[in-house]
Amino acid sequence: GDSVTQMEGPVTLSEEAFLTINCTYTATGYPSLFWYVQYPGEGLQLLLKATKADDKGSNKGFEATYRKETTSFHLEKGSVQVSDSAVYFCALSDRGNTGKLIFGQGTTLQVKP
Amino acid sequence: DAGVTQSPTHLIKTRGQHVTLRCSPISGHKSVSWYQQVLGQGPQFIFQYYEKEERGRGNFPDRFSARQFPNYSSELNVNALLLGDSALYLCASSLVGRSNEQFFGPGTRLTVL
Repeated sequence: GDSVTQMEGPVTLSEEAFLTINCTYTATGYPSLFWYVQYPGEGLQLLLKATKADDKGSNKGFEATYRKETTSFHLEKGSVQVSDSAVYFCALSDRGNTGKLIFGQGTTLQVKP
Repeated sequence: DAGVTQSPTHLIKTRGQHVTLRCSPISGHKSVSWYQQVLGQGPQFIFQYYEKEERGRGNFPDRFSARQFPNYSSELNVNALLLGDSALYLCASSLVGRSNEQFFGPGTRLTVL
């Protein structure tokens, strides 16, 4: 079945460092891809999305490009801030009628001042 | 506009008991999905409802059930609680059943003792 694999965390960076969180997926067909962020004690917030190959999603300085040839959707940010500390989830959508999202296991990011 | 709301925020139950969790979608959203997030893992899909009908079900036992009301709010019921049911239960709403963009509520933290 469809699945999402993320790099294991935690990822610890200094403020203003470059961030990459790897995400690869397995799916039949052409799913939409998402990055969600979860701050401590909160639910999930949609960070960005891409709905077809070569699309680039971007928001708040974060970017990810839908790479069909490598089945990847890596999250990047050029300069992280302490406030970016959170858990990041990569997800894909089921293209059927269920609206089901399939999530990776999450990657914890800790940014130190 | 109010986002997705869930109640209660926290809940403590004992094994064998029954629990009902509630969710109100964003105004105008007709689809509600439920996810279970065990500590340290990504959310797992439980159900999706659209226009009061079940449109998808994840790999959960029959102890889990749900329904959607005419105002599009939803309840998740879990019978015969097990220790392993302890988790954060997330509700997400979207405009249409097949919409890929789901908006999550803050979740209900269920602890089973």
